[in-house]
Amino acid sequence: KQEVTQIPAALSVPEGENLVLNCSFTDSAIYNLQWFRQDPGKGLTSLLLIQSSQREQTSGRLNASLDKSSGRSTLYIAASQPGDSATYLCAVRTRNTNAGKSTFGDGTTLTVKP
Amino acid sequence: EAEVAQSPRYKITEKSQAVAFWCDPISGHATLYWYRQILGQGPELLVQFQDESVVDDSQLPKDRFSAERLKGVDSTLKIQPAELGDSAMYLCASSRIRTSQETQYFGPGTRLLVL
Repeated sequence: KQEVTQIPAALSVPEGENLVLNCSFTDSAIYNLQWFRQDPGKGLTSLLLIQSSQREQTSGRLNASLDKSSGRSTLYIAASQPGDSATYLCAVRTRNTNAGKSTFGDGTTLTVKP
Repeated sequence: EAEVAQSPRYKITEKSQAVAFWCDPISGHATLYWYRQILGQGPELLVQFQDESVVDDSQLPKDRFSAERLKGVDSTLKIQPAELGDSAMYLCASSRIRTSQETQYFGPGTRLLVL
């Protein structure tokens, strides 16, 4: 059974800092890994999707990497802003007979202080 | 921009009552997912539809939960009877087709409180 872990559970940084969020998974037989953002009481917004054959994806100040063999992914946020404050979730789509079931980590709650 | 619609946004009910949630996916999306998210945790898949067929309901508590997508478009998730432990956010998501490359798009969720 796939297990996804996100460390740390919470992170507080001053505005302008670069930061890294971590995601690890136990079963490397995956289709892809996706990073989401969730604001309090809201649904999830997709940030980046990395296919299993890819090493990284970039969007603006965000860069996500994937090391499938070691079961790790990182989300790098450059020049953090207060508006980046949210919970960041990673989801791993594991290969199975149902074309992949997504397993989520419990998220990292990020606070960026002005 | 097309969005996944869910209603109601909030629901308060008493233990042993029945509740129902509705989801309208993005037009043309064949795959629909229902997730449950307990506060402080990541979403957990309850049921996945491909058109009107269930492809995964292994985590759905079938003694009290039911889900349907009769015409392969919108979907309803029902809980009867509700229990205190069902208090959570219920999220609906859709994707264009059921392949590994597709992004899931999430609705705003329904927050359920069982008293």
